[in-house]
Amino acid sequence: EAGVAQSPRYKIIEKRQSVAFWCNPISGHATLYWYQQILGQGPKLLIQFQNNGVVDDSQLPKDRFSAERLKGVDSTLKIQPAKLEDSAVYLCASSPRTGGGNTIYFGEGSWLTVV
Amino acid sequence: DQQVKQNSPSLSVQEGRISILNCDYTNSMFDYFLWYKKYPAEGPTFLISISSIKDKNEDGRFTVFLNKSAKHLSLHIVPSQPGDSAVYFCAASSHGSGNTGKLIFGQGTTLQVKP
Repeated sequence: EAGVAQSPRYKIIEKRQSVAFWCNPISGHATLYWYQQILGQGPKLLIQFQNNGVVDDSQLPKDRFSAERLKGVDSTLKIQPAKLEDSAVYLCASSPRTGGGNTIYFGEGSWLTVV
Repeated sequence: DQQVKQNSPSLSVQEGRISILNCDYTNSMFDYFLWYKKYPAEGPTFLISISSIKDKNEDGRFTVFLNKSAKHLSLHIVPSQPGDSAVYFCAASSHGSGNTGKLIFGQGTTLQVKP
């Protein structure tokens, strides 16, 4: 079974530029997550989708970050304009459903450096 | 507010000995706990989990212990192997009504197993 796919793996941009990350979850997984992991910290949830609806985006900086999951499968996360503090690994993850007692499976991450 | 804490940033053990990684949490609503392992340049991979109805779960060399009264869990790796060297994240979620099942992560502990 294929895992969570993410691209690009690495991206370097200048501040105030824009960047987009793509994610394809595990086949059949209804729930998709975007996490941000800053070096030395644990992953922090940015947004959670159930199919193509947003379940939780309380920690998404909506002035610069946006995400969509059209058709309930693939998802894109966009940052515009980027700031230096956005340098992090952006982890996409999926799970079969929403709710507690759920194991979440991560992709390899998209590494962003903002200079 | 850090709801899940891993107070030891790093741990070094000799090959063949036991590794004990600790995690504390503050939210009494958490009822499902997971450990993830992360190698450099890869996403976190699921290792083992435990529900709050249990106090121990074992899978091969890995055992997770949960002490609900102390709001503390630990991961034991016996015997430790050099391939276990990685960053270990503790995570927690709630099962209750309305909860999305999102995982709250600790900061991680870097384990080094010396040959």
